[in-house]
Amino acid sequence: QAQLQQWGAGLLKPSETVSLTCAVHGGSFSGYYWHWIRQPPGKGLEWIGEINDRGTTYYNPSLKSRVTVSLDTSKKQFSLKVNSVTAADTAVYYCVLGLDAFDMWGQGTMVTVSS
Amino acid sequence: QSALTQPASVSGSPGQSITISCTGTSSDVGGYNYVSWYQQHPGKAPKLLLYDVDKRPSGVSNRFSGSKSGNTASLTISGLQGEDEADYYCNSYTSSSTWVFGGGTKVTVL
Repeated sequence: QAQLQQWGAGLLKPSETVSLTCAVHGGSFSGYYWHWIRQPPGKGLEWIGEINDRGTTYYNPSLKSRVTVSLDTSKKQFSLKVNSVTAADTAVYYCVLGLDAFDMWGQGTMVTVSS
Repeated sequence: QSALTQPASVSGSPGQSITISCTGTSSDVGGYNYVSWYQQHPGKAPKLLLYDVDKRPSGVSNRFSGSKSGNTASLTISGLQGEDEADYYCNSYTSSSTWVFGGGTKVTVL
């Protein structure tokens, strides 16, 4: 069964760019949708966006102007960039894979935006 | 897109059954059977409990069941146990090809 491992910078200043990467270990890389989901401290889950193995992306309308999700099938990795961050972007960010649900989750990366 | 509506908290005694509702619109819950539920314990990543309204992934207890009527989906936990104390989130696919979560429900075992 596939396992997800994610990494990226955890402390940013306002206006900088969040950059996170998720690698898939074991299992199949194709045929899934690859998602990013975040959770601000003490709050609920928010879907950020997805990419499929054809490279088609969909984004949360509230974040669409600042978010890019990309895929590197040769490395079995997918990535998230969120630009122009503010304190409101402080959250645990999860990479997730699934088909018609969010089947498997990465361990989460805490991203803090602070001056 | 607006978040799906869940009760903030639900409680029950061990052995009882509880139900958590998840209300959306005809553009999400009511329009698709891509409704899923997640359990999250403190400090942990969410875990998929149900998908496609009422299907359980391998390894999930049959004490968890799901249903949908109109724009409202429901998660029922039967034979409530202490380990069920957690936050629960519903999720639905939408007509905009996006996904939307509910605000979450804290389940307390009395």
